[in-house]
Amino acid sequence: EAGVTQFPSHSVIEKGQTVTLRCDPISGHDNLYWYRRVMGKEIKFLLHFVKESKQDESGMPNNRFLAERTGGTYSTLKVQPAELEDSGVYFCASSQDLPAGSYQETQYFGPGTRLLVL
Amino acid sequence: DQQVKQNSPSLSVQEGRISILNCDYTNSMFDYFLWYKKYPAEGPTFLISISSIKDKNEDGRFTVFLNKSAKHLSLHIVPSQPGDSAVYFCAASVGSGNTGKLIFGQGTTLQVKP
Repeated sequence: EAGVTQFPSHSVIEKGQTVTLRCDPISGHDNLYWYRRVMGKEIKFLLHFVKESKQDESGMPNNRFLAERTGGTYSTLKVQPAELEDSGVYFCASSQDLPAGSYQETQYFGPGTRLLVL
Repeated sequence: DQQVKQNSPSLSVQEGRISILNCDYTNSMFDYFLWYKKYPAEGPTFLISISSIKDKNEDGRFTVFLNKSAKHLSLHIVPSQPGDSAVYFCAASVGSGNTGKLIFGQGTTLQVKP
């Protein structure tokens, strides 16, 4: 079974430019998450999709970040315009849906996209 | 305000010995805890988890202990192997009915020397 895939693996852009990151979750996983790790610090939650709906976007830093998941399959995360502090590794994760009252289902992470804003 | 803390940025142990990685949390609403392992240039890989109704969970060489009163958990690796060298992240969530958002610690880099 294919794991979570992310594209591109690396991106170097200049401040003010636009970058779009893509995530393909494991087939059949309704839950899709975006996380970010900046400068070797903790991995921080950005947002959570259930199918095509945004369940929780409390971690999105500001309105320069736009996430979409059209059709409930792959997701994109667009940063426009990019700033220096947006540099970091962006991880995508996916998990299966849970029956009500169940505990956390394991989240499977992709390899990440390393974004460098100059 | 960091709700999950791993106060040791690094740990070095000899092959065959025990590795103990520690994690503290502040949010008493957390009821599910996970450990992830991360190699360079890869994403985190799930290792082991524990729910708050337990105080210990074991899977092969890996055991996680949870002390709710102290808001502390630890990961024990016995015996440690060179292939265990990686960054280990502790994560927590509010489980049942939750969105599934994970709150991570900063990570501890484990080096197992042959």
